[in-house]
Amino acid sequence: DVKVTQSSRYLVKRTGEKVFLECVQDMDHENMFWYRQDPGLGLRLIYFSYDVKMKEKGDIPEGYSVSREKKERFSLILESASTNQTSMYLCASSGDRNEQFFGPGTRLTVL
Amino acid sequence: GESVGLHLPTLSVQEGDNSIINCAYSNSASDYFIWYKQESGKGPQFIIDIRSNMDKRQGQRVTVLLNKTVKHLSLQIAATQPGDSAVYFCAENRSRTGFQKLVFGTGTRLLVSP
Repeated sequence: DVKVTQSSRYLVKRTGEKVFLECVQDMDHENMFWYRQDPGLGLRLIYFSYDVKMKEKGDIPEGYSVSREKKERFSLILESASTNQTSMYLCASSGDRNEQFFGPGTRLTVL
Repeated sequence: GESVGLHLPTLSVQEGDNSIINCAYSNSASDYFIWYKQESGKGPQFIIDIRSNMDKRQGQRVTVLLNKTVKHLSLQIAATQPGDSAVYFCAENRSRTGFQKLVFGTGTRLLVSP
């Protein structure tokens, strides 16, 4: 079975802090994704990567950056956290098929 | 997560009933559709998918129907069980330059009473 893991289930940070969210997948998938999930808005794509060191902006990239130095790892970075970035963050990966496999999510609270 | 379902439409059914969850999509060029299930505190889990060249696909206790004419997708769950209680999302694949890009619906909460 595909396994996608995220570094933290719950995270509390203060406004202005730099935040790193880590995601690791064990299925040698080329594609990895970061979403945020908010009530009433569903899942919104922040960034995705289709290869090592490659990245593309999703629908809401502002305030975020990403890093993909190794195929199995995709990191989401909040350079200066703000309260409107309080959300559930979901990482996903996919291979040749379009099916995306999700991690358990990180609930980030920015105070 | 716990707060995902605050603003979601809700379908309440009795254990053993059949459930039908509906989804409207917007892009007639979408060529692939997925249903996901999300339990409280967990990430979305794949249930079943369907390509646009099909109108029906069956899995174990689940059936997905696709009506391209009206851009409508439905998920049917047979003999619904309490463990089916979750939020269900549809997603459509809008490929951009051949690369997959899933666009998700906001979801429907399914509540199953014993």
